[in-house]
Amino acid sequence: AQTVTQSQPEMSVQEAETVTLSCTYDTSESDYYLFWYKQPPSRQMILVIRQEAYKQQNATENRFSVNFQKAAKSFSLKISDSQLGDAAMYFCAYRTVRGGSEKLVFGKGTKLTVNP
Amino acid sequence: GAVVSQHPSWVICKSGTSVKIECRSLDFQATTMFWYRQFPKQSLMLMATSNEGSKATYEQGVEKDKFLINHASLTLSTLTVTSAHPEDSSFYICSARRPSYNEQFFGPGTRLTVL
Repeated sequence: AQTVTQSQPEMSVQEAETVTLSCTYDTSESDYYLFWYKQPPSRQMILVIRQEAYKQQNATENRFSVNFQKAAKSFSLKISDSQLGDAAMYFCAYRTVRGGSEKLVFGKGTKLTVNP
Repeated sequence: GAVVSQHPSWVICKSGTSVKIECRSLDFQATTMFWYRQFPKQSLMLMATSNEGSKATYEQGVEKDKFLINHASLTLSTLTVTSAHPEDSSFYICSARRPSYNEQFFGPGTRLTVL
């Protein structure tokens, strides 16, 4: 079974600085998707960024970028120029497809605090 | 955009009663919807996958008779917590898969408190 590990329960960063959140996963599949979701206090899950495993190029969305290391099964999220609104829980997720049905497997999350 | 709504956003009920939670895709048709449960300060755990017009597929350990899922149309899935007990108190989140999009779109969640 696929597992997703986020080893940092909490992280903090100064406003305007850069922070990296770690995520590792375990799988025997060769083709899959990885996601980073943000869950602010409202608890609405918001997609931050996604990465297709077959793409070697790291995904980037404005201030958010990933470092995808397929061989190491690592998928870290870098937030540049951190803003107060970035404070939230961040979940790393792996998408697996079994028998035609997909499933998202989430890590335990990292709580990000942004200090002014 | 792809908007998913849930109703109600917050419900309090007495032990032994049943509660229905609705999940709607507002601007797209979703052939597949998902139901998650999130305990305080924990991650999301998939409870079941709901396909329009067919029976839901439940994850191991999830009681089918307790968590009834109905996906009657391409825009609506419902989760009914039957004979709710205090241990069922949790945050329930649905998501919907939009065809041709490689992501799930999440609803805002429903907080269930069972007294």
